[in-house]
Amino acid sequence: AQSVTQPDIHITVSEGASLELRCNYSYGATPYLFWYVQSPGQGLQLLLKYFSGDTLVQGIKGFEAEFKRSQSSFNLRKPSVHWSDAAEYFCAVGRSYNTDKLIFGTGTRLQVFP
Amino acid sequence: DAGVIQSPRHEVTEMGQEVTLRCKPISGHDYLFWYRQTMMRGLELLIYFNNNVPIDDSGMPEDRFSAKMPNASFSTLKIQPSEPRDSAVYFCASSAQSFYGYTFGSGTRLTVV
Repeated sequence: AQSVTQPDIHITVSEGASLELRCNYSYGATPYLFWYVQSPGQGLQLLLKYFSGDTLVQGIKGFEAEFKRSQSSFNLRKPSVHWSDAAEYFCAVGRSYNTDKLIFGTGTRLQVFP
Repeated sequence: DAGVIQSPRHEVTEMGQEVTLRCKPISGHDYLFWYRQTMMRGLELLIYFNNNVPIDDSGMPEDRFSAKMPNASFSTLKIQPSEPRDSAVYFCASSAQSFYGYTFGSGTRLTVV
């Protein structure tokens, strides 16, 4: 069965610093991969997704993620973090032949210091 | 488009009472998902529908939980009787096809006292 691991529960960065949030998945075939962001009191918002093709995908709010098959990873990055990026981030995986159901990771809470 | 609309935003109820959560998906979306989010268990898929038909309800905790989708524009999640351990944020999400990604509602925060 597929699974998603976000090894970092909580990350703190200074505003303007670079950011990388880790995501590892377990799935035998090529997965469909997603990153979502959840601001306090809000639902989850889709940041970006990967299906195939270029392994570096661009998303909204200046985020990007890179799919690395050899490492089973799909890490989220941002070159310069803004205070408004403070939120919880979720990685999710769907099966390439049936993505009806996405499996979500446990999330990484990002705190940004001024 | 107004997005996925959930009501109520907050619900406080006494143990043993019936609770009904409502969701209006985005028009044209064929898939509807109900999730529950807690600190302890994270985001859990409860049930999802495709074209108003329940496809997978394996995440529904027990018989106290039921979900319906009588038409393409409305779904309910009912808990009867409610218990304190049901306290959580319940999200509804919809999708045209799930590999496009889901659109989530703002959630219903349920507190059972």
